[in-house]
Amino acid sequence: KNEVEQSPQNLTAQEGEFITINCSYSVGISALHWLQQHPGGGIVSLFMLSSGKKKHGRLIATINIQEKHSSLHITASHPRDSAVYICAVSGQTSGSRLTFGEGTQLTVNP
Amino acid sequence: DAGVIQSPRHEVTEMGQEVTLRCKPISGHNSLFWYRQTMMRGLELLIYFNNNVPIDDSGMPEDRFSAKMPNASFSTLKIQPSEPRDSAVYFCASAKGVGYGYTFGSGTRLTVV
Repeated sequence: KNEVEQSPQNLTAQEGEFITINCSYSVGISALHWLQQHPGGGIVSLFMLSSGKKKHGRLIATINIQEKHSSLHITASHPRDSAVYICAVSGQTSGSRLTFGEGTQLTVNP
Repeated sequence: DAGVIQSPRHEVTEMGQEVTLRCKPISGHNSLFWYRQTMMRGLELLIYFNNNVPIDDSGMPEDRFSAKMPNASFSTLKIQPSEPRDSAVYFCASAKGVGYGYTFGSGTRLTVV
């Protein structure tokens, strides 16, 4: 069993839909990261959180430490949101190193 | 700030040749990471440095891989000799330290033929 699991692996939505991507982890963490990777390969850090909720534009990330679960929400989705979204954790004993989920391929159709 | 700068962006080399990938982290960031991304294995950590000192190199595949960080503004990842299975995208990332967010470079796409 992977330490970080994401669902779904693939997600197709229509423009304007509300999107949720889930991440579960099995280790103690110091922080959880949501990353975005567009076709062409660049990786952008969207959020780093260790409790509660963070919002940036149409993106919202939440984390429940007790349940070891995080969600990434996209409101009013747009085709430019099409990308791979990766959940990663930095462990309590592993310092800064990240352990990655397998990613969720999101496609938003116009 | 120009962000994390990696070079080259693309590298095509023949099997057996030496390959050197370069990374310039963001000024003031104390942690530097080398990651490799393949279709089969996704993103995996190769090595990371804290204050120029290698902290964890357990992800380095074998002795053909070596990494150095001679100063706070420069790091190299060397593969010698290269093999086709080393073909991947290699990312460098930096962070201020534990508890801070990451900034990734654009990656180096390596193809070994």
